[in-house]
Amino acid sequence: GAVVSQHPSRVICKSGTSVKIECRSLDFQATTMFWYRQFPKKSLMLMATSNEGSKATYEQGVEKDKFLINHASLTLSTLTVTSAHPEDSSFYICSARARTVNQPQHFGDGTRLSIL
Amino acid sequence: QKEVEQDPGPLSVPEGAIVSLNCTYSNSAFQYFMWYRQYSRKGPELLMYTYSSGNKEDGRFTAQVDKSSKYISLFIRDSQPSDSATYLCASYDGGVTGGFKTIFGAGTRLFVKA
Repeated sequence: GAVVSQHPSRVICKSGTSVKIECRSLDFQATTMFWYRQFPKKSLMLMATSNEGSKATYEQGVEKDKFLINHASLTLSTLTVTSAHPEDSSFYICSARARTVNQPQHFGDGTRLSIL
Repeated sequence: QKEVEQDPGPLSVPEGAIVSLNCTYSNSAFQYFMWYRQYSRKGPELLMYTYSSGNKEDGRFTAQVDKSSKYISLFIRDSQPSDSATYLCASYDGGVTGGFKTIFGAGTRLFVKA
């Protein structure tokens, strides 16, 4: 099956630090990648959608300058949380969809980010 | 009204029970329907992927779509404690209206008691 690898799985860092999270599709080429945020016992909240080689489309209320997304290749997207603060602490999950028409999204295992 | 509605539960059943999880949707353009399972502190895992109306079976899992009533279901037979997780339904229109955006339900938390 389609595998999406997300790294790191856990990050604990000081306030003001920038944190980069990587998302890779291991056995398929992902035309589109998605970044979600999830609070405890809550559903997925889509932050942004990125297509390879173009700028990400952010959902309303998501700060572009705070959450930088790069989708440089068909197998790699990164999310950088810039100058992170405690309120940015959350579970971040990436997802990828293959370039083949009408394929479902596959998810990474998430990154638990804790800002002290 | 949300495009995909799902009762968050929790739903608690004894081991061996048949579990029925359900969602309703409002967008008649939706053609593709998915069920994901999410364990605590993990990303969602794709369980079932179906196109249009009908049934699809995979082991103990059966996905059912009724487009006339805009109702999607997931049945789990012989439920096991390891099935305890949050189950998310999802759908998208496959580009019919220009959108490939997947819409997710809120997720139903399932507990299977040994």
